Amino acid sequence: AQTIHQWPVAEIKAVGSPLSLGCTIKGKSSPNLYWYWQATGGTLQQLFYSITVGQVESVVQLNLSASRPKDDQFILSTEKLLLSHSGFYLCAWSATGINQDTQYFGPGTRLLVL
Amino acid sequence: QQQVRQSPQSLTVWEGETAILNCSYEDSTFDYFPWYHQFPGESPALLIAIRPVSNKKEDGRFTIFFNKREKKFSLHIADSQPGDSATYFCAALASSSFSKLVFGQGTSLSVVP
Repeated sequence: AQTIHQWPVAEIKAVGSPLSLGCTIKGKSSPNLYWYWQATGGTLQQLFYSITVGQVESVVQLNLSASRPKDDQFILSTEKLLLSHSGFYLCAWSATGINQDTQYFGPGTRLLVL
Repeated sequence: QQQVRQSPQSLTVWEGETAILNCSYEDSTFDYFPWYHQFPGESPALLIAIRPVSNKKEDGRFTIFFNKREKKFSLHIADSQPGDSATYFCAALASSSFSKLVFGQGTSLSVVP
């Protein structure tokens, strides 16, 4: 069975400070990986997706960047946090091939920027 | 235009009633329509999904009705239970661009005992 782990569980950071969030999936070879952001009480906005190691596509610009250093790892980062970065960050995965449409979410990281 | 509209924003039903959540879209390339539910403090979880080859998909108490001509789809929750109280999101995706899953604004469902 596939398991998806996100770290940290929660963060409180200062405006202007750097950020790095991580996501690891186990039990699935070469998954498609995604980052989403959800404002409190809001909907989900896709930020990035990756279909292979070293390749990341940006969906929306929020002064964030993403990288996929390993097949099972996806990193979200920024050098300078903004107040607007507060929210719930979700990593998701999907299989490749005929089941690639179905996306499954990890437990998420809650970020508060002060 | 890649947008999914969802209504109502909030819904309250009595236990045992059928809750009906509605979504519509404009992009004709969308061909996969999942519903997720999200409990407070948790991440979204896939509930049920449909492709337009059929106009109905059932899974226990949950049924999706799909109207391709009107570009509308709905989630019916039969015999609603207090444990169904959550936020429900519809979404849509075009398989040709599988990565871009577009979500509706969500419906907050409360089931009153």
